[in-house]
Amino acid sequence: DAGVTQSPTHLIKTRGQQVTLRCSPKSGHDTVSWYQQALGQGPQFIFQYYEEEERQRGNFPDRFSGHQFPNYSSELNVNALLLGDSALYLCASSLSGSLFPNTEAFFGQGTRLTVV
Amino acid sequence: AQKITQTQPGMFVQEKEAVTLDCTYDTSDPSYGLFWYKQPSSGEMIFLIYQGSYDQQNATEGRYSLNFQKARKSANLVISASQLGDSAMYFCAMREASGGSYIPTFGRGTSLIVHP
Repeated sequence: DAGVTQSPTHLIKTRGQQVTLRCSPKSGHDTVSWYQQALGQGPQFIFQYYEEEERQRGNFPDRFSGHQFPNYSSELNVNALLLGDSALYLCASSLSGSLFPNTEAFFGQGTRLTVV
Repeated sequence: AQKITQTQPGMFVQEKEAVTLDCTYDTSDPSYGLFWYKQPSSGEMIFLIYQGSYDQQNATEGRYSLNFQKARKSANLVISASQLGDSAMYFCAMREASGGSYIPTFGRGTSLIVHP
């Protein structure tokens, strides 16, 4: 049984470009949350998708957007990349809109984004 | 003000010894949850233990226990009988009800190194 898978694992982009990160939730999970983890910091909640809608959002600008597909997989899009967007982007999957990770939520290994 | 404070950037412990990782939190919400996560170098966040604000007893999960002191607003993680595989970053996190949304907040983490 595959856990949460994220792709790509590493990515290098230039300032001003756009990037799309992908997440496949654990089998049976229908909710996906995205987090940004800058170097030396804890993860920061970006937003959560459930039933193909954004349910909750953290304090991130509109440059960060997302999507959830009928198979529950999700994408995180970041437009007009800034150097400060360089971070590890983590995806977590859970069941039925539970917002916060708990024993039933699983994280992927993340996508390391570097903006140059 | 920081909602979650982890004052120990790094901790060292001898294998088989116990270690306490500190966490203090700040909230005016009477209903909240406190979590500890482990993040090995591979990147994924691994759930360790949960304590609800109304729980009367300290949470325990195997070698992990949470020393919950509500009046002091502290939620320290105790790892008994440390193992080499416990070397990782450890994050304390809090979920609080803020206008009906449960936006999670993470601390900056503590790096634990277990010596043989």
